[in-house]
Amino acid sequence: SALTQPRSVSGSLGQSVTISCTGTSSDVGAYNYVSWYQQHPDKAPKVIIFDVYKRPSGVPDRFSGSKSGNRASLTISGLQAADEADYYCCSYAGGDTWDVVFGGGTKVTVL
Amino acid sequence: QLQLMESGGGLVKPGGSLRLSCAASGFGFSGEYMTWIRQAPGRGLEWVSYISGGGFTTYYGDSVVGRFTVSRDNAKNSLYLEMNNLRAEDTAIYYCVRVASDYVGFDSWGQGTLVTVSS
Repeated sequence: SALTQPRSVSGSLGQSVTISCTGTSSDVGAYNYVSWYQQHPDKAPKVIIFDVYKRPSGVPDRFSGSKSGNRASLTISGLQAADEADYYCCSYAGGDTWDVVFGGGTKVTVL
Repeated sequence: QLQLMESGGGLVKPGGSLRLSCAASGFGFSGEYMTWIRQAPGRGLEWVSYISGGGFTTYYGDSVVGRFTVSRDNAKNSLYLEMNNLRAEDTAIYYCVRVASDYVGFDSWGQGTLVTVSS
């Protein structure tokens, strides 16, 4: 089953927002392999967080990730207009095979 | 510069077949695990299939197993997705995506190709 994310969150310029991603003990709770993707309209997704909290080079430190139990979170600090996008969490759920599961996505609106 | 370019999308009738291709450049394709990920219009992301660098190991999402086949030609730096018995719910943008080599995730995405299944 897909991971559970809020459909939308909003915040003012300069504020912080946090997006939750709830899974189960078979995916988010079982592995420290949560990644987050940012997708602007009509563009391909881009990884912004991997291994729960690590950032690829070039991603600002305004983006941070964490996890507790079966729930992961993405926090965007100092919101900028360019942060308005859809955000998807993803967790490894493989066990004996290779399998990943995505969240349904969260639309971030910058007010 | 790394590039993934999908092709082969289009309109197909329910029950029909389609073959997607992905041309890779700018990296050592044969050493990298690859996947197909799709996104239905206005919907979220769904992992479809995975193939190892040598092409000998493949995995599929539950919704496509038995209908889709992923393959690759490392001599041509190309990835393929053969889709059979297509259904309306297979309508989506299909992305060719590289699996990251040092973490569980996806570090490079193509721009996608649209598949529409409709009568």
